[in-house]
This record gives sequence, C-alpha cells and structure tokens, in this order.
Amino acid sequence: GAVVSQHPSRVICKSGTSVKIECRSLDFQATTMFWYRQFPKQSLMLMATSNEGSKATYEQGVEKDKFLINHASLTLSTLTVTSAHPEDSSFYICSASGDREINTQYFGPGTRLTVL
Amino acid sequence: AQSVTQLDSHVSVSEGTPVLLRCNYSSSYSPSLFWYVQHPNKGLQLLLKYTSAATLVKGINGFEAEFKKSETSFHLTKPSAHMSDAAEYFCVVSEPGQGNLIFGKGTKLSVKP
Repeated sequence: GAVVSQHPSRVICKSGTSVKIECRSLDFQATTMFWYRQFPKQSLMLMATSNEGSKATYEQGVEKDKFLINHASLTLSTLTVTSAHPEDSSFYICSASGDREINTQYFGPGTRLTVL
Repeated sequence: AQSVTQLDSHVSVSEGTPVLLRCNYSSSYSPSLFWYVQHPNKGLQLLLKYTSAATLVKGINGFEAEFKKSETSFHLTKPSAHMSDAAEYFCVVSEPGQGNLIFGKGTKLSVKP
C-alpha cells in the first residue's frame, strides 16, 4: 500500500518549452504533497510543499513562477517547469503524505528531465 | 534546528556479511527518524521509521535501526548483506508538527560477491 506514481518517468524537451510532471497517490488521500529535486550523486532538495486546495509554499531560492505547482485534488499534484533551460535538467521526485500514516512521506519513482 | 549527519559517504561489504550505516541527528525536540533506500534512477522507498515508540525498529528486507537518544544516533543494520541491497541509503529526520523532512547526504552501499 501507499503507492505514489509519477508521469512521465523521463522527458526530453527543447530549451524554452514547458514540461508538466504529474504526481498521483494511488491508494490513499494525500493532503500534502512535496516536490524535490535531486542532482547527480546528491541528496534530495525540497522545492515546495503543497496542501490540497491551497497555494504551494516554496523553499527559499526556488522560483515560484518557474516551477508552477498545482494540488487540485487529494490524489493529484502537478509540477510545471516553465520555459525550461538546460540548467533545469534534473531528477524530480514527488512525495505524498495523508491519511495512510501520519508524518510519513511516500515517494514517487521520480522523473528525469533533460533540457536540450 | 534539525540536521542529519551520515558519517560514511560509501560503505562496501561482502555478500553475507553484516551491514552498518551510521547516522547521527540533531533536533530540539523528540524527532521522527526514517531510513529510505534509493536504487539507481528510482524514487525512494521507506525502509523503517521511528516515532517515539520502541527504540529498536524493524523494517523491510531484514533491516533494523536503533534509536539511541543519549548518542543522538539512529544507525541502520542488517545481519547479512544481499547483492540486491546495493543502493543509496538516506537517513531522514523530521520534528513533531513539521511536515518537511531533513535529509542526510546519503550513504552508497556496495555489496561485493
């Protein structure tokens, strides 16, 4: 149980285009979803926290106009990387917490974004 | 402020021998502590968690960790390593009422045949 999916698993796009990544909780209701970024051989860096139905809270240094987060339902959150550039290439991972276990985050499999 | 220190960036063991991945934490309150495993190009899988119940926590795949408040440690152990255990392991802390997690830098576990 406590399965989180992400789509797509990998995406390659041209510089200047926008990319949307979906994060879904498949068997529980996710009141809170988190978006992380992971550079090669490094730990996860929290980008933003979103609660269903409200605006996301972004970590310091993360541009909210570049990384648009929507959490419209208890099972779906989306991250849109707008006007992507090569430096946005990274591994993006979402996690969700909710009614399954308090204070526990369940992670998606990640999305590898490559911007040419 | 919370912080997590994973003392080894890389641990190498032989198959069938014990595994010890060390983690120390700093927290102002009684924290929740987690170990996650990440296989290459995959997301994170929860191995086990401590949330102020029993100090010895058993997780999946034969892993366990012991919360030692006096030493501010939460080391991960497994009696006998398997080839499939080769992965990156993250020690993570969060404080009561805080939704966000603080990650250690990770320990890469290699298992030799």
